[in-house]
Amino acid sequence: NAGVTQTPKFRVLKTGQSMTLLCAQDMNHEYMYWYRQDPGMGLRLIHYSVGEGTTAKGEVPDGYNVSRLKKQNFLLGLESAAPSQTSVYFCASSPRRDRGTEAFFGQGTRLTVV
Amino acid sequence: DQQVKQNSPSLSVQEGRISILNCDYTNSMFDYFLWYKKYPAEGPTFLISISSIKDKNEDGRFTVFLNKSAKHLSLHIVPSQPGDSAVYFCAARTIGLTGTASKLTFGTGTRLQVTL
Repeated sequence: NAGVTQTPKFRVLKTGQSMTLLCAQDMNHEYMYWYRQDPGMGLRLIHYSVGEGTTAKGEVPDGYNVSRLKKQNFLLGLESAAPSQTSVYFCASSPRRDRGTEAFFGQGTRLTVV
Repeated sequence: DQQVKQNSPSLSVQEGRISILNCDYTNSMFDYFLWYKKYPAEGPTFLISISSIKDKNEDGRFTVFLNKSAKHLSLHIVPSQPGDSAVYFCAARTIGLTGTASKLTFGTGTRLQVTL
């Protein structure tokens, strides 16, 4: 099983450029999440989705947009990248609350904005 | 305002000894607590969890203890092995309202090094 797959794994952007990070899961999970990990700050929630066609803001949503057109995919967009968005981004998925507790993570995307 | 705190950024333990990783939280609405393990260049992987109505959960070498009155949980690894060297994140799940996702709030992590 592939689990949660993130594309790309690495990317370097110039300030002001845009890009989309793709997350795909094959576990039929309802919930999907985007986190960023920065040194000394743990994982912080950017946006999340409770199902196809729905998204919501997390702890640090500014500068990012998301879409979930299909249940298995969750896209994270940066419209105008800034150096402060240099980070490692993790996508995760989890089943509905009554069907399980753990979230499954992808391998991460290391993004550098210069 | 950090709701989940791991106050020890690093811990070094000898192989065969016990590793104890600690975590404190402030939000009484958390219903589950989880520990994740993370190797460099990989995503976090689930290790063990505990419901807020329990005080202990054990899985092989890993045991998690929850003290609700102190809002404190700990992960015990016995015996510690070199392969356990990784960053360990404590996470807490928010119950959430109907129709909202169960969100995980993470601590900042503790880097465990198991030495020979």
